[in-house]
Amino acid sequence: SQQGEEDPQALSIQEGENATMNCSYKTSINNLQWYRQNSGRGLVHLILIRSNEREKHSGRLRVTLDTSKKSSSLLITASRAADTASYFCATAGGGGYQKVTFGIGTKLQVIP
Amino acid sequence: DSGVTQTPKHLITATGQRVTLRCSPRSGDLSVYWYQQSLDQGLQFLIQYYNGEERAKGNILERFSAQQFPDLHSELNLSSLELGDSALYFCASSPQTAPGGYTFGSGTRLTVV
Repeated sequence: SQQGEEDPQALSIQEGENATMNCSYKTSINNLQWYRQNSGRGLVHLILIRSNEREKHSGRLRVTLDTSKKSSSLLITASRAADTASYFCATAGGGGYQKVTFGIGTKLQVIP
Repeated sequence: DSGVTQTPKHLITATGQRVTLRCSPRSGDLSVYWYQQSLDQGLQFLIQYYNGEERAKGNILERFSAQQFPDLHSELNLSSLELGDSALYFCASSPQTAPGGYTFGSGTRLTVV
């Protein structure tokens, strides 16, 4: 079963708007990662936030983490057509082996 | 180019056959991970190797096996193929066994007919 669940499953916005995607997970984590996947291509690592961090920025990306609610959000500001892709959250659990488990993803379409 | 090389990019084969997918990790990465991505199942973790040793198993079928060689490249063997095995198979690598961010290859698209 998937650890992370992204919401919404699909999102369509106009270029220039902000896009927000959410991820919920079930068990304790060591870190949470966001990846982007262009259609049929490999996943690209975007950002990693550790369990003791609350917010992280990278360019137009802003990630928040609320461990009390077991949720994270990815905000893409000033979206561009090139941001059209699927976005996955991945959680790395605690314990001796930190298996990374991916959600099913959010499909983002940015309309020019 | 991510630095993780997967071959072949596409593979079409018949049910009952056996195929081998190959992955060369990014230079310096010791861990290799295999994932299966199908339309209705999302990204499923199959197996991880670290420096030649199996470290973790996920939802990997008994018909599937993998290994990591001394030069750190890895192979995923899929046998007695079924139509439901059609999927994208991704390899990812990371420097150590504890996951920070993965570097993914571009995948092998397997079609079983």
